[in-house]
Amino acid sequence: DIQMTQSPPSLSASVGDRVTISCRASQNISTHLNWYQQKPGEAPKLFIYRASTLQLGVPSRFSGSGSGADFTLTIRSLQPGDSATYYCQQGHTILYTFGQGTKVEI
Amino acid sequence: QLQLQESGSRLVKPSQTLSLSCAVSGGSITDDSYSWSWIRQPPAKGLEWIGYIYNSGGTYYNPSLQSRLTISLDRSRNRFSLRLNSVTAADTAIYYCARSVWRFEDGRWFDTWGQGIPVTVSS
Repeated sequence: DIQMTQSPPSLSASVGDRVTISCRASQNISTHLNWYQQKPGEAPKLFIYRASTLQLGVPSRFSGSGSGADFTLTIRSLQPGDSATYYCQQGHTILYTFGQGTKVEI
Repeated sequence: QLQLQESGSRLVKPSQTLSLSCAVSGGSITDDSYSWSWIRQPPAKGLEWIGYIYNSGGTYYNPSLQSRLTISLDRSRNRFSLRLNSVTAADTAIYYCARSVWRFEDGRWFDTWGQGIPVTVSS
């Protein structure tokens, strides 16, 4: 199995801050890395796929980068509605695996 | 717009079988561009992929659950289902169904999710 490790597990930031979440894979996964946003009581929502492609409707203040084994989700100017848990997921192998999540509080 | 909706038993006794269905609307489950997955999330924990099924009926299961798991397709009703045998408290979770996308160059992801159904395993 490919293990996904996110850091930090949680963070607290202010409106307007730049926030960075890291995700590391246990092996090379090319750019087969996706990000999801999950708010309390809701299902996860696809935010970024293929490491850097924003899903339709996702604000442009979100961006993704990376390849190989190291990836980053950046929120350029944090907004109140961005408070959520963010998960990375590798789609390189059939056995999909997720990171443990990063909780972003504002 | 594609929508997925889970249904099934929300309370299951230990050692019994957990059965859930996912109704697909706004799209066809026979579309060969996609597969159909189940994912679960134990209370206050992260996400675990359970398995998927293709229109052909082919399946792939998480090895950790494979011996207890069956995912099936009902093309006439545009839905797919999950059966998990011999459940224990560790199977207590919110269960989500989702559409899986695969592109050779781009990898795999879940682009549409159901709202989730909480399932508790308890006597």
